[in-house]
Amino acid sequence: EAQVTQNPRYLITVTGKKLTVTCSQNMNHEYMSWYRQDPGLGLRQIYYSMNVEVTDKGDVPEGYKVSRKEKRNFPLILESPSPNQTSLYFCASSLSGTSGETQYFGPGTRLLVL
Amino acid sequence: GQNIDQPTEMTATEGAIVQINCTYQTSGFNGLFWYQQHAGEAPTFLSYNVLDGLEEKGRFSSFLSRSKGYSYLLLKELQMKDSASYLCAVPLRSNDYKLSFGAGTTVTVRA
Repeated sequence: EAQVTQNPRYLITVTGKKLTVTCSQNMNHEYMSWYRQDPGLGLRQIYYSMNVEVTDKGDVPEGYKVSRKEKRNFPLILESPSPNQTSLYFCASSLSGTSGETQYFGPGTRLLVL
Repeated sequence: GQNIDQPTEMTATEGAIVQINCTYQTSGFNGLFWYQQHAGEAPTFLSYNVLDGLEEKGRFSSFLSRSKGYSYLLLKELQMKDSASYLCAVPLRSNDYKLSFGAGTTVTVRA
C-alpha cells in the first residue's frame, strides 16, 4: 500500500531533550516536506527536500533540522525542544514537488513539550 | 497563511449545500488545491484547479477565478461524514515547491 508513515504518533517530552520524528514514504517520491499545524494558523511548512541531499527552509524553520540521506526517509530533528514547538506535525511527499502535484500526508505526530 | 483567506467556521444541515470561499494573493499562479481534513487526521486531496471555471467531482465541486484571486468549494447533499476542516492551498510564487495553506474552514453538519 502506497503510504507515508511517521513515528512516533504521540510524544511527550521535556524542554531541551533532543528528539527525532521519522518520516518514510514507499512511493519513490522525490519531494518531501514537514509541516506543523496549530489552531487558527493552518499548516505551515518547516522544511522541504527536493531530492537526496537537497533541502531548503520553509516558512518556520527555526529550532528544527532535517536530513535527506535516502530518498524514502526525511527525519525531523528538534535539537533542543521548547514549549512553543508543541504542535501537530505532518510529513508529506509528492512525486517531484512541482506545482499541480498532489501531496500525500502522513498520519501526523502530536508533540507536547513540557 | 497570511496570503490566503477562508472563513473559520460554517454550519449546515444534512442534505443541504455549503459553499466555502477562498481568496488568495500570489505573485504568480500555478493552481489551487482543496484538501479535506477530519479532526486529528491527515489532510487528503480533494481537488486541483488551474483553469477558470467549475470542476465537478461527485458531490464536491471546485470553482476558480484567476482574475479575482478567488475559489470556492461546493459541497452538495451534505452528509454527517462531511464534518471536517477544508483547506485551501496555493504556491505563493510560480513554480514554487512550497505550498501555502489557508487556516482552514471547519464545517459542521447537523442532523
